[in-house]
Parts: sequence; structure tokens; C-alpha cells
Amino acid sequence: LAKTTQPISMDSYEGQEVNITCSHNNIATNDYITWYQQFPSQGPRFIIQGYKTKVTNEVASLFIPADRKSSTLSLPRVSLSDTAVYYCLVGDMSAGNTPLVFGKGTRLSVIA
Amino acid sequence: EAGVAQSPRYKIIEKRQSVAFWCNPISGHATLYWYQQILGQGPKLLIQFQNNGVVDDSQLPKDRFSAERLKGVDSTLKIQPAKLEDSAVYLCASSLEWASLSETGELFFGEGSRLTVL
Repeated sequence: LAKTTQPISMDSYEGQEVNITCSHNNIATNDYITWYQQFPSQGPRFIIQGYKTKVTNEVASLFIPADRKSSTLSLPRVSLSDTAVYYCLVGDMSAGNTPLVFGKGTRLSVIA
Repeated sequence: EAGVAQSPRYKIIEKRQSVAFWCNPISGHATLYWYQQILGQGPKLLIQFQNNGVVDDSQLPKDRFSAERLKGVDSTLKIQPAKLEDSAVYLCASSLEWASLSETGELFFGEGSRLTVL
């Protein structure tokens, strides 16, 4: 399983763009990169998933360079409600036996 | 669409007692997971089911933890006897069969069951 490394915490002001980078140097050919968000007292919630280049949805963008050894989750114009823990996961979505492993995540605090 | 249901939401027990948690996944989801989340840490996978078969239980402390998924739908996670270090939130998640995950990669989590062992 590819190990991921993220910053432990980040602070941001409301309205700013936040970029959280995840390192996954040992990513395998079949691995996808998935990000989850977790609020206190709730289970994690899927944000976005990608394999290469850029993926964008209504919530975030995911940037993946050509070597795929890292990825960056971009949250545009954050608000106080974006305060949460963000997890980067790497796994083979085509193999039924591969468990999804969560690291410690990045705790984002949005300040007014 | 109904989400993943878990019960109870909260449970307080004395050490050496037993406890059971129940999970009802989203209808049609073949894969079910139990995660343990200790305060301040990320979720740790305990066991993964595909229908009613176990795919991975390598991190399940089998001397005290057990899990079953009868008929490939609901699942129960049991701890007996509980230890202080079992205090955590137990999260259940479900997903479509793996062949479909390449589209979204999405696990759907319940709200969790918070266990306090005194």
C-alpha cells in the first residue's frame, strides 16, 4: 500500500483558497487518489477522486502532476464550515482486496 | 436515499464487559467496512466484507473482537471483553462492489458509535 504524508494542520482565513498537498512517493500504476473530509462527530465524507492531471467538481479541485507522487486538494474561497480534517487516500480501485487506509489527515481551521 | 445506519450512537461500559454495534449499509452495497477511530487519529480499518465473506480482517484483534455479516446485508461488531484502549468511535461504511469504484471511489460512512470504556 502506498503511504501518504500530509501536513498535520493548516490555518486559513475565510474567503481564501486553501491547498493541501499529499505526498505518495510509492504510488502504484493502478492506484487512484481519493480525498475525504471529516467533521467532528461525523463519519468521513468523500470529496473528490482522481488518477492523473486535474479533476474538478462542485466542491474542490484535485491536481495531480505527471509523476503522480503527490497531489494537491484545492478548496476555493473557504468558509468557516470548511473547518474539518481532510484525508488523502491512495488505493487500487480495481482490486477488490485492497483496503482503504486512512492516515492522520490534515486539520484545517478556517478563521473569520 | 437512506444512508448507512448505525446503533447505538453512544455506549458506556465497564472494562471486561461486552458490547455490540450494529450497522445497516446502503441498500445494494456489497462491500461493508468497520473502522475504529481513536480520538485525534484517522480511522483504522478493522474488517472488510464483500457480501457475507471476509476480505480483510488483518487488523482485527481476534482475541476480543468479532464481526459478522449475515445474509450479506446487516453487520454486527462485538467486543468481549472490552479494554480501556477500546474507547473509540466505531465507524461503519459501505460501498458498491469494487468494480464500480473506479467511477467514484466513494465509501459512505455512518455517523459512528462512540464507545467509552471505564
